[in-house]
Amino acid sequence: EVQLLESGGGFVQPGGSLRLSCAASGFTFTYFAMTWVRQAPGKGLEWVSTISGSGGDTYYADSVKGRFTISRDNSKNTLYLQMNSLRADDTAVYYCAWGGLQSAFDVWGQGTRVTVSS
Amino acid sequence: EIVLTQSPGTLSLSPGARATLSCRARQSVSGSYLAWYQQKLGQAPRLLIYGASSRATGVPDRFSGSGSGTDFTLTINRLEPEDFAVYYCQQYGRSPLTFGGGTKVEIK
Repeated sequence: EVQLLESGGGFVQPGGSLRLSCAASGFTFTYFAMTWVRQAPGKGLEWVSTISGSGGDTYYADSVKGRFTISRDNSKNTLYLQMNSLRADDTAVYYCAWGGLQSAFDVWGQGTRVTVSS
Repeated sequence: EIVLTQSPGTLSLSPGARATLSCRARQSVSGSYLAWYQQKLGQAPRLLIYGASSRATGVPDRFSGSGSGTDFTLTINRLEPEDFAVYYCQQYGRSPLTFGGGTKVEIK
C-alpha cells in the first residue's frame, strides 16, 4: 500500500523558516515525481512545487519561487520542502502527493499544518 | 498559466440525483491532462478521474469524466450520502500546474 506521511509543520513567525518532510512507502520512490500542494484555511487547493524522480528537475509556483526549495533523498524515500522568508499568506495545510507533470496525483498524505503569525 | 474555472460554486441536490460539474480552461489542456479530485471536510483530496475520463483505482462507476480541449465535465450519477463533498479539477500537463476553485456538492 502506498503511504505518504508528512511532518515538520508548526507555528513560525513571519520571516522564519521551516522544513517539511514527507516519508514515502509502498512504491519505488526514485521512479516518480513528487509534489507539494497547500490549502489555506477555508480556501481551495494551490500547487506549490514539483520535483522529478531523479531530483534533476524542479518547478515552483510564482508565489513561492525564490523562498521555497523542494528536494528529495531517494536513499531515504523522503521528500522535503525548505520554506524560508515565510509570510502570513503561507499559512496552510501542506500536502505531499505522488505525481507531478503529466502524472495525476494518485496518493496524498494527510497533510501538515503551517501557521505563520507574530 | 492555464486558469481553470469551475461552475457552479455550489450544487444543492438530493441523494439519488445526478450531479453535473463543469470545469473550463482559458487555454486548451494539452494531452487531456485533466484530473478531478474529491475532498471531504478535514481530509486530504482523493483522485477520482485522470486523463479527463479514466477512473482511478477503486472509484465507483457512478463517477464519470468527459471533455477535451477547454471544456470538461464530471458527472456523478445517483448521488450517495458519501458523495457530498468539494470537487476540484486540475490540469497537470503544463507548469504551473493549476486547480479550479472547486464545486461544493451539498445535500438539498
